[in-house]
Amino acid sequence: SQQGEEDPQALSIQEGENATMNCSYKTSINNLQWYRQNSGRGLVHLILIRSNEREKHSGRLRVTLDTSKKSSSLLITASRAADTASYFCATVLTYSGAGSYQLTFGKGTKLSVIP
Amino acid sequence: KAGVTQTPRYLIKTRGQQVTLSCSPISGHRSVSWYQQTPGQGLQFLFEYFSETQRNKGNFPGRFSGRQFSNSRSEMNVSTLELGDSALYLCASRQGYNEQFFGPGTRLTVL
Repeated sequence: SQQGEEDPQALSIQEGENATMNCSYKTSINNLQWYRQNSGRGLVHLILIRSNEREKHSGRLRVTLDTSKKSSSLLITASRAADTASYFCATVLTYSGAGSYQLTFGKGTKLSVIP
Repeated sequence: KAGVTQTPRYLIKTRGQQVTLSCSPISGHRSVSWYQQTPGQGLQFLFEYFSETQRNKGNFPGRFSGRQFSNSRSEMNVSTLELGDSALYLCASRQGYNEQFFGPGTRLTVL
């Protein structure tokens, strides 16, 4: 079952603009991760944010997490054509004590950056 | 460090056959997970291995199995292939309770 749901499903912007993608989830999490995927290739890890964190930055990426609303957002600033890809959020549920760990993915946001 | 590697990158099989996919994790990573990606179901967790033991399993039939070797390399096997098994199979490794790093995937086509 899908734990995370991204919004919007598709986003088209001009190069240089900012892109914001949102993710909502249903149950308590240990951490939330954002990934990028180009044309059916492997997933590239972008950022991990833990449940006790509210905001993280990495280069042009900014991720926020609101555990009270069970939501996260990914902001890409000054977008480039090379940012064109699908973006997924994935949650890791609260640590069960058995060491189990699985990512539960949303369906992703397809971002198109027009040169 | 070298990233996660998967072999083969592409496979074409026919219904009823079986297939074995291989994954080498990042050096030092003892946890390996497998995911299936299809257009209809998206990315779904198959199973996770740690120190040669399956620690967690997703909601897939018993035709899907895996194993992990003492060097942390992992294989997954799908027996009696069905058309619906056509997918991108992704392997990921991690260290501790941190981010997972994915390999490039194996694209399996079942005819």
